[in-house]
Amino acid sequence: DIVMTQSPDSLAVSLGERATINCKSSQTILYSSNNKDSLAWYQQKSGQPPKLLISGASTRDSGVPDRFSGSGSGTDFTLTISSLQAEDVAVYYCQQYYNSPLTFGPGTKVDIK
Amino acid sequence: QVQLQQSGPGLVKPSQTLSLTCAISGDSVSSNTTTWNWIRQSPSRGLEWLGRTYQRSRWFNDYAVSVKSRITINADTSANQFSLQLNTVTPEDTAVYYCARGWALKYWGQGTLVTVSS
Repeated sequence: DIVMTQSPDSLAVSLGERATINCKSSQTILYSSNNKDSLAWYQQKSGQPPKLLISGASTRDSGVPDRFSGSGSGTDFTLTISSLQAEDVAVYYCQQYYNSPLTFGPGTKVDIK
Repeated sequence: QVQLQQSGPGLVKPSQTLSLTCAISGDSVSSNTTTWNWIRQSPSRGLEWLGRTYQRSRWFNDYAVSVKSRITINADTSANQFSLQLNTVTPEDTAVYYCARGWALKYWGQGTLVTVSS
């Protein structure tokens, strides 16, 4: 199984400041047929299912604000929130869909400082 | 717009079978361009993918090793839904269970808290 790790476990950022979350996969998840990394990012708020933010490591899903961006390739990936808003308080997860079983990182909790 | 609506009991006794259904609207369980997944979430295990069903030339299933001996996922094409059965449950199976579509999981059910307790 591909193991996904995230850092930090939690972070607190002032409103309007940048938040950066890191994700690492235990092996490369680059899908050769489309040259895209099979990496998704999710936001989960209390009592709700995860919401897809980004797929293919860097493609924002429709309706996702452009303050959210994804980067990285191979085994190291980053989710950046460029200017944290109050509604961004949540837990963020990365997930690989390169192969079965689909696996998720343990999550990073983002709060307001 | 794809919607997934989950149904099933929230309380299951130890050693019994957990059964949940996910009704699909806006897509077809028989689609040959996607997959239909069950995922659970608990404080101890985090987000854990359990398995999926999908149709290509025929129906395929694959399951997480951790539950492979106890799980069945079936598609019901007449009702456009798919189901989860998890046998011989223990309190460690207590979790919020979700159905979801695809690989990058854009569409999720609302979640069902299933408690395993006598």
